[in-house]
Amino acid sequence: EDQVTQSPEALRLQEGESSSLNCSYTVSGLRGLFWYRQDPGKGPEFLFTLYSAGEEKEKERLKATLTKKESFLHITAPKPEDSATYLCAVQASYNFNKFYFGSGTKLNVKP
Amino acid sequence: NAGVTQTPKFQVLKTGQSMTLQCAQDMNHNSMYWYRQDPGMGLRLIYYSASEGTTDKGEVPNGYNVSRLNKREFSLRLESAAPSQTSVYFCASSETGVFTSTDTQYFGPGTRLTVL
Repeated sequence: EDQVTQSPEALRLQEGESSSLNCSYTVSGLRGLFWYRQDPGKGPEFLFTLYSAGEEKEKERLKATLTKKESFLHITAPKPEDSATYLCAVQASYNFNKFYFGSGTKLNVKP
Repeated sequence: NAGVTQTPKFQVLKTGQSMTLQCAQDMNHNSMYWYRQDPGMGLRLIYYSASEGTTDKGEVPNGYNVSRLNKREFSLRLESAAPSQTSVYFCASSETGVFTSTDTQYFGPGTRLTVL
C-alpha cells in the first residue's frame, strides 16, 4: 500500500534553532517527491520537487534532500515567519496523476 | 494570473442536501484534482481529471461526482450530503501529461464545508 508518514506531527523551535522534518514513504515506484507549505486557512504552496535519491534543493532557510526511503526538510536558523504546516507528497510512477500526501508537520517558531 | 480559484469559500449544508463546488484554473494545465483535508489525515484524492473529457476515481470517491466541463473548469458535486463529508476541499491543477516534465500541483484556497 502506498503511504507517506511525516514526523514529528508538531515541532516547536526557538528562532535560530535549526532542525529537520522527516517524510518516509512506501510507494510502488516513485516519480517525484514534493514539499509544500500550508498556512492556516490557505491552500498548500509549492516548495520543492525531488526526483532521484541524492538530490538536494535549497530555498532561503530550507533545504530538501531525498533518499530511497525518505526525505528531509532541513530548516536552518528559522524565523517566526517560517511557522506553518509542511506537507510532503509522493507521486507514483505507475500513474502520474496519483499523489499521496502525509499528514504534515506543524512548525511553530517562537521569537 | 489568478491561478486556481474555488467557489464558494464556505458552505453549510443539512444532511441530504446537494451542492456543487466549482474550480477553475487559468494556467492551461492538463490535469485537475479534487482533494479533501481532514485533521490528522492529510490530503486525500477524491477524483482527478488527466485531460479534458476524462475523469478517474482517487482514494475516497464515494458520495461524490465530478465534471470536467472544459480545460479550465472542474466541478465536484455532492448529491446527498452526509456529516462525514464535513471537511475542507481543495482543488488543484498541474501540467502533468504524456510529454510534460513538471508535475507540480497548484492549489486553490479551499472550500470549508460543514454538513449538519
